[in-house]
Amino acid sequence: DAGVIQSPRHEVTEMGQEVTLRCKPISGHDYLFWYRQTMMRGLELLIYFNNNVPIDDSGMPEDRFSAKMPNASFSTLKIQPSEPRDSAVYFCASSSILGEGRIGYDGRLFFGSGTQLSVL
Amino acid sequence: GNSVTQMEGPVTLSEEAFLTINCTYTATGYPSLFWYVQYPGEGLQLLLKATKADDKGSNKGFEATYRKETTSFHLEKGSVQVSDSAVYFCALRFGGSQGNLIFGKGTKLSVKP
Repeated sequence: DAGVIQSPRHEVTEMGQEVTLRCKPISGHDYLFWYRQTMMRGLELLIYFNNNVPIDDSGMPEDRFSAKMPNASFSTLKIQPSEPRDSAVYFCASSSILGEGRIGYDGRLFFGSGTQLSVL
Repeated sequence: GNSVTQMEGPVTLSEEAFLTINCTYTATGYPSLFWYVQYPGEGLQLLLKATKADDKGSNKGFEATYRKETTSFHLEKGSVQVSDSAVYFCALRFGGSQGNLIFGKGTKLSVKP
């Protein structure tokens, strides 16, 4: 398996522009997470999905942020309009709850390599 | 509420030095505890875990023991290498919901040759 795939790897945009970040989770995983990482605030959970349904979006900073998961193999995080304070590394992660309670199950999250977003 | 507190970095060590990164947690109940590692330019990956009190997680020479009495899960390695330079995150999670994974702020480790 190729792991969690995020695109683009780097995005530079100007303030006010729309930004769309993309994620392909590991096949068969039923959970998908979007995190944001900054020096000031560390790693923040923005939103997560279970079986394509948003479960908790309380970490989404404001209405400028939206996330969708139209199917089990694709998710997007959109920022519209973008602002300089949105500059960060955005990570997508996926996991599966199948096997919980069985020997060998560790419930780990598998992270993508991240998207480095710079809003000028 | 539930939270994880890690020692602030950065931590700079010479190769073959002993490493300890402190982690304490606050939780209502008995969570599973994790250490994740982030190498430069990459996403986080699981390093080790422990699911109950007195469990010891270990991987790649790293160890951490789940101490319920002190609510701690300190990461240790007897002899660090340059390749261990990374950011280390302590985390906790309650079973039944993957969304309950809570991370500490991370500790950056730099190992000099």
